[in-house]
Amino acid sequence: ETGVTQSPTHLIKTRGQQVTLRCSSQSGHNTVSWYQQALGQGPQFIFQYYREEENGRGNFPPRFSGLQFPNYSSELNVNALELDDSALYLCASSFGDRAEEATNEKLFFGSGTQLSVL
Amino acid sequence: GQNIDQPTEMTATEGAIVQINCTYQTSGFNGLFWYQQHAGEAPTFLSYNVLDGLEEKGRFSSFLSRSKGYSYLLLKELQMKDSASYLCAVRHYNQGGKLIFGQGTELSVKP
Repeated sequence: ETGVTQSPTHLIKTRGQQVTLRCSSQSGHNTVSWYQQALGQGPQFIFQYYREEENGRGNFPPRFSGLQFPNYSSELNVNALELDDSALYLCASSFGDRAEEATNEKLFFGSGTQLSVL
Repeated sequence: GQNIDQPTEMTATEGAIVQINCTYQTSGFNGLFWYQQHAGEAPTFLSYNVLDGLEEKGRFSSFLSRSKGYSYLLLKELQMKDSASYLCAVRHYNQGGKLIFGQGTELSVKP
């Protein structure tokens, strides 16, 4: 158990719809990173939130957006879903002393949300 | 650019030793991580190297050579439960220290 929880565990959507995925970080952590993991691939960095602000973004279009709340939990929103968005979405929390080193220590991953877009 | 390479799959025998290699090309290197991921589960942390050399932790060891852009994960006394995907990830100085993952190595341990 990592102390990082994600909801829902599974989700089925149709093309064009919007989805919101949620993540509760481990107690004491102030940084949340989101990753997309396609079948048979390694996780791909989507973006990171540090103390409620976006703190880095990977090569994903603007229809992927996020939020981090004062309690450091986070949401990932995806608009206009496409078939290729079908993947496991992983949230990882960590602690950092400053934005430049927001993942000072190891990442603790949640079990993920398996999203299927039909 | 950033590129991380590791073998797609490996097979080994229970009780044996296996070495999983990882090579990387990146700027702003700030550490290398190994994670284990069982099917349908979250990745779990195995090891972390930021300086050259070997880090040992029980049956698992990890080695790093920064000048060669090379790391390996060594698993000793293999057990059936070690069958999993092993992910090599490089941490960067920028973008909050994001991790860039390789595609993972699927290890199958046979009796």
